[in-house]
Amino acid sequence: GENVEQHPSTLSVQEGDSAVIKCTYSDSASNYFPWYKQELGKGPQLIIDIRSNVGEKKDQRIAVTLNKTAKHFSLHITETQPEDSAVYFCAARDTGRRALTFGSGTRLQVQP
Amino acid sequence: DAGVIQSPRHEVTEMGQEVTLRCKPISGHNSLFWYRQTMMRGLELLIYFNNNVPIDDSGMPEDRFSAKMPNASFSTLKIQPSEPRDSAVYFCASASYEQYFGPGTRLTVT
Repeated sequence: GENVEQHPSTLSVQEGDSAVIKCTYSDSASNYFPWYKQELGKGPQLIIDIRSNVGEKKDQRIAVTLNKTAKHFSLHITETQPEDSAVYFCAARDTGRRALTFGSGTRLQVQP
Repeated sequence: DAGVIQSPRHEVTEMGQEVTLRCKPISGHNSLFWYRQTMMRGLELLIYFNNNVPIDDSGMPEDRFSAKMPNASFSTLKIQPSEPRDSAVYFCASASYEQYFGPGTRLTVT
């Protein structure tokens, strides 16, 4: 089955700096890659996703890149703000399966 | 849309008691998922349904856990009997393509 690895497990940045979180996946059939943000006491919230026919997608301060050959994808947050502090999860899904396989999460802390 | 609705939000029960968690998916979504989240094991998929039919229950820990989806707008996850190691946050999620999570139920078994 699919295996998703996520790095780093924790990340601390200064407000205004950029943050990058990286994930690798094992199943070359995976074609959908969402990212979730989880704040304390809440459920994971979908913040951006990318499909395998696209190499990059951007939404304001967040962007996701996908390298299908290397089987890795990354989340980029620019101009970080304290409210970006949360746990971020990457995930992958293949065409034959409805369920997502999640990475282990990255705790991002933005220092004011 | 109100999003995925879960109840109760918090549940404290004694070991051996039956626990029932409830979920109302987003209207129009045809897939429903139950997850468990702990510090040690992260986010684990327990079971998922497609068009109300259980597709993959390989993540259900043992026979004490059961899940049902009697119709497109309601699902339950039942634990009987409950044990302290079942203490976790249980999430329900629904999807048509993108998957959306509910707020979770924090279960504490003493």
